[in-house]
Amino acid sequence: ETGVTQTPRHLVMGMTNKKSLKCEQHLGHNAMYWYKQSAKKPLELMFVYNFKEQTENNSVPSRFSPECPNSSHLFLHLHTLQPEDSALYLCASSQGTRSGEKLFFGSGTQLSVL
Amino acid sequence: QQQVKQSPQSLIVQKGGIPIINCAYENTAFDYFPWYQQFPGKGPALLIAIRPDVSEKKEGRFTISFNKSAKQFSLHIMDSQPGDSATYFCAASMPSNTGKLIFGQGTTLQVKP
Repeated sequence: ETGVTQTPRHLVMGMTNKKSLKCEQHLGHNAMYWYKQSAKKPLELMFVYNFKEQTENNSVPSRFSPECPNSSHLFLHLHTLQPEDSALYLCASSQGTRSGEKLFFGSGTQLSVL
Repeated sequence: QQQVKQSPQSLIVQKGGIPIINCAYENTAFDYFPWYQQFPGKGPALLIAIRPDVSEKKEGRFTISFNKSAKQFSLHIMDSQPGDSATYFCAASMPSNTGKLIFGQGTTLQVKP
C-alpha cells in the first residue's frame, strides 16, 4: 500500500458527461500531482500543487479542472472530454517539490471516453 | 531539450539474465535521475536513483550506470527473476522547486522462467 488512494479505479464516460477523479494521500505530504499515462508514451505531468497552491499547469486543456482543497486531497474534474483523453490518470504525492523528491503514486483511474 | 529518450521499448530475457535499459538526455541542467518500476494495475514506484556526481549506484540486484559526458544512464538488473517483469521508466529533473519530473517512454520487461 503506497498510501495514495485513487477513486474510482475505472471510469467510462460520454463526451458530454461531467465526472470527477479523487485522490487522497495518507503520508503527510505537502505536494500532490496529476499525471496522464497513455500507451507507449511517457508519463505526462498535468498539474502540481504544493501546500494547496497550484505551482505547475503543463498546458493542460481547460476541460480538465483540478482542485486541491487541502494537502491530503486532490480532485480532477472532467467535462466535455474527447476520446483521445482516454488514459490512465495517476495521482502522486511527495514531501515537497524540490528536485530529488520521491514520488508516491496511486494505482490510477483508467478512464475511457466514448 | 526537456526530453528523456528511453530504449528499448520492450525486452524479453531468460531468468538469470541481465537486462539493460538505456536512457539519454540533452539538458545538462538535469541533476537527478530516478528509475521507477510499474507492475500491471499499480502506479509506478521508485526503484533507484542517481545524481550526476557519481558514475554508478547499486541497490541489491539493481544498478544504475551514469555517463555524464555521453549524457546517458542505464539500468542493469542482475540475476533477473520472473518477479522483475514490469514496466520500467527512467526520469530526470532539474534543480528547481517545481516538482517537474520528465519521464522516458517506458520499457516493458518480461523475464521468462
